[in-house]
Amino acid sequence: DVKVTQSSRYLVKRTGEKVFLECVQDMDHENMFWYRQDPGLGLRLIYFSYDVKMKEKGDIPEGYSVSREKKERFSLILESASTNQTSMYLCASRVMREAFFGQGTRLTVV
Amino acid sequence: AQSVTQPDIHITVSEGASLELRCNYSYGATPYLFWYVQSPGQGLQLLLKYFSGDTLVQGIKGFEAEFKRSQSSFNLRKPSVHWSDAAEYFCAVGGLGTNDYKLSFGAGTTVTVRA
Repeated sequence: DVKVTQSSRYLVKRTGEKVFLECVQDMDHENMFWYRQDPGLGLRLIYFSYDVKMKEKGDIPEGYSVSREKKERFSLILESASTNQTSMYLCASRVMREAFFGQGTRLTVV
Repeated sequence: AQSVTQPDIHITVSEGASLELRCNYSYGATPYLFWYVQSPGQGLQLLLKYFSGDTLVQGIKGFEAEFKRSQSSFNLRKPSVHWSDAAEYFCAVGGLGTNDYKLSFGAGTTVTVRA
């Protein structure tokens, strides 16, 4: 079975902190994604990557950056966390016919 | 630009009754279409997917969906709902091309099942 692992289930960070969310997949997928999930808004795409060191902005990239130095790992970075970035963050990896999701990281910025 | 619309934010259905969740998409070419389910506190689970061929696709847990190109729709159905089907359901659209990786989701439909 494909496994997508997010390093933390719950995080609490302070405003202004630099935050790293890590995601690792074990199936050699080229495509990886970061979404944030908010009630009533569904999943909104922040960034995606289609290969090592390659990235593209999604629909809501402001305030975020990403890093993909190795194929299996895709990191989401909040350069200076703000309270409006409190959310559930979901990582996914995709082959053409299916996307596999991690369990999510619930980030609270105080 | 690709997008997904799920017109129903919340649906309440009686156990044993039928369920239909609506999904409309916008995409410039032939899409990949997906339905995912998220139970409370859980991750997203794939229910079913459509790429080509038969426009009626069967999924897990007794769900099916029908692709209607003329209506740009991919509605999800279940003939008889169980209490365990209470969850949030997401429709998604993605590209077929090797340079089109983006997967876009709708806002979701929350299903409540009453006894």
